[in-house]
Amino acid sequence: QSALTQPASVSGSPGQSITISCTGTSSDVGGYNYVSWYQQHPGKAPKLMIYDVSNRPSGVSNRFSGSKSGNTASLTISGLQAEDEADYYCSSYTSSSRVFGGGTKLTVL
Amino acid sequence: QVQLQESGPGLVKPSETLSLTCAVSGYSISSGYYWGWIRQPPGKGLEWIGSIYHSGSTYYNPSLKSRVTISVDTSKNQFSLKLSSVTAADTAVYYCARDRWSRGYYFDYWGQGTLVTVSS
Repeated sequence: QSALTQPASVSGSPGQSITISCTGTSSDVGGYNYVSWYQQHPGKAPKLMIYDVSNRPSGVSNRFSGSKSGNTASLTISGLQAEDEADYYCSSYTSSSRVFGGGTKLTVL
Repeated sequence: QVQLQESGPGLVKPSETLSLTCAVSGYSISSGYYWGWIRQPPGKGLEWIGSIYHSGSTYYNPSLKSRVTISVDTSKNQFSLKLSSVTAADTAVYYCARDRWSRGYYFDYWGQGTLVTVSS
């Protein structure tokens, strides 16, 4: 199984919105509504931000939202804040296995 | 609050077996859910290693399956990872996490991670 494809980096100014894409295949992203997103600050463990494509765990800001179209999932962060600067990883279920994206570094300008 | 804590040697010699344990508190492993291992080489992305249910049922990453064994000890409320025949490519931060396998397939609670270096 190949890693999901994410842009290496994205950036935005405070208050703006950004979207991070996560492209897979019909065997993973496109085949199941089991895409999750994780935020990772330097030196810290990943934190679950979105599960089942578009659901937010309790305690996660509603500025974070997820969606999917075909083989591509997306994470949108609205009203960017300085603390959103981090690495973001997508993940998908695939045939009794799991696959992660390569990660996207979000820079808040 | 569910908490996970990894423990084990921080340095392993090439060709030897890496062994880590994840102690779970705030939740009984026997109550359900799967429990997984994920790793992250320095400066790189995340890689799922495998997951285990309290009954012992396991799922492994196909690319690592031949070298991985995950086991569970419900009496100690912990689960363990063994990775055999390690090389420098296995140097990584190893995380344990609660795995919502078959209930959405995501990891909702994570340990802080432990760095394992493979070097002679």
